[in-house]
Amino acid sequence: KNEVEQSPQNLTAQEGEFITINCSYSVGISALHWLQQHPGGGIVSLFMLSSGKKKHGRLIATINIQEKHSSLHITASHPRDSAVYICAVRSLGADGLTFGKGTHLIIQP
Amino acid sequence: NAGVTQTPKFQVLKTGQSMTLQCAQDMNHNSMYWYRQDPGMGLRLIYYSASEGTTDKGEVPNGYNVSRLNKREFSLRLESAAPSQTSVYFCASSEGAAGLSYEQYFGPGTRLTVT
Repeated sequence: KNEVEQSPQNLTAQEGEFITINCSYSVGISALHWLQQHPGGGIVSLFMLSSGKKKHGRLIATINIQEKHSSLHITASHPRDSAVYICAVRSLGADGLTFGKGTHLIIQP
Repeated sequence: NAGVTQTPKFQVLKTGQSMTLQCAQDMNHNSMYWYRQDPGMGLRLIYYSASEGTTDKGEVPNGYNVSRLNKREFSLRLESAAPSQTSVYFCASSEGAAGLSYEQYFGPGTRLTVT
C-alpha cells in the first residue's frame, strides 16, 4: 500500500508570499495528482503529472520520480488561494487513488 | 455539462437503516469511483468501476455495495447503516483505460450522518 505524506499539515502566510507544499510517497506510481478543496467541500483537480513540471497561472507542480517526491508552489499568494491542498497518487497496477491527509493553507490579507 | 452530480447532498440515517447514494456523470467517462472522507484522514477508496459492467473493491469496501447501472451512473448502497459510516462521500469519474492515468473529476459530495 502506498503511503502518501504531505507537509506541512497547516500553513498560514501573508498575501504575496511564495508557498511550497510537499508530498512524498513510498512506492512506484503511474501518476500524481494535486487537488484543491475549498471550505464548501468541493474538490477540484489542479494537476496530474508523471514527470517534470507543470504550470497553470500562479501554480507550479513538480515531481521527482527517483526521489518519490512532488512539490506544489503558489507564487504571489492571494487570500482566495486559502483551501486544503491534497496530494494523491495512482500506484503502479492500481486503479483508484491513494490520498495524503491534505495541507490546510490560509493566506492572510 | 453538469459534470459529476450526486444526490442527496445531506442525509441523516438511524443505525440499521438502508439507503442508496446516487452518482451520475455526463462526460462519457469509462471509470467511476466512490471515496469517503473522514476528519484527520485522507480520502479513501470504497469501490470503483473501471468500465460499464465491472466493479471492484477499494481500500474500505465493508458495509457497502455498488451498482454500475450504465456508463453514466454508479450508485453506492448502505444495506444496514452504522455510526462508523458517518462521513462525506465523494463520487468521481475519469476517462479511464487500463494502465493509463487520467484526471479525476469529483462530485460535490454527500454528507451522511448515522445516529
